[in-house]
Amino acid sequence: IAGITQAPTSQILAAGRRMTLRCTQDMRHNAMYWYRQDLGLGLRLIHYSNTAGTTGKGEVPDGYSVSRANTDDFPLTLASAVPSQTSVYFCASSDSGTGAQYFGPGTRLTVL
Amino acid sequence: GQNIDQPTEMTATEGAIVQINCTYQTSGFNGLFWYQQHAGEAPTFLSYNVLDGLEEKGRFSSFLSRSKGYSYLLLKELQMKDSASYLCAVMDSNYQLIWGAGTKLIIKP
Repeated sequence: IAGITQAPTSQILAAGRRMTLRCTQDMRHNAMYWYRQDLGLGLRLIHYSNTAGTTGKGEVPDGYSVSRANTDDFPLTLASAVPSQTSVYFCASSDSGTGAQYFGPGTRLTVL
Repeated sequence: GQNIDQPTEMTATEGAIVQINCTYQTSGFNGLFWYQQHAGEAPTFLSYNVLDGLEEKGRFSSFLSRSKGYSYLLLKELQMKDSASYLCAVMDSNYQLIWGAGTKLIIKP
C-alpha cells in the first residue's frame, strides 16, 4: 500500500450497533487524525494522535473512541451508533516537517 | 474563538483566472494550507504558506499576509477539472488545523 487506506468504503448501520472504522498508513507519520465532514459544516476533528500510544480529543469527540497501538493503525470506534453520526469520515496523517495532512479516501457511514 | 472565512461558492470561465480569498482569526499561527476536494473524494494538499508572500506552484499560487490574517489561492488558465471545493486551513498554536467550510468553484465553458 502507498499512503493511507480506510475500510470500509461505505457502510449502512442500524442505530445502537457498534462499528469500527479502520485506518492504516505506510508513510511512517507520527500524527494521525479522524475527521467527519458534513454538508455545509466542513471538516471537524473527532480525535487525534500525535504519536503511537497517545490520543487526544478534537472538536466533536462524543460517541467516538480511538486507539493507537502502533504507528500505522488508528481505528475509530462508534460504541453505539446514532443517526446523527451519519457522515463521511476521513482519516489523515501529517508530515512532521510542514504539518501538511494527507487524507485517506474516506468512509461513508449511514446510521438508520 | 477561532474562525476561518471563505466564500461559499464562486463561478469562473474556462481559461480565465480566479482568486479565492480566505481570512482567519486563530489563537496563534503556524502555517496556512490550501486543499482541493473534488466531489465525493478526499481533500488533497495543494500549498503551504508560513511566511508572508507568494508561493507559486504551476498554475496555482498562494499568498499570505500574516498581519492582515489573509490569504488567497490564485488559479490560472482554468480547466474544467479545476471544478472542486477549495479548503483553507490554519495551524494554530497547538499545531491543530482549523478548517474553513470550503469554497465551491464552478468552471463554465
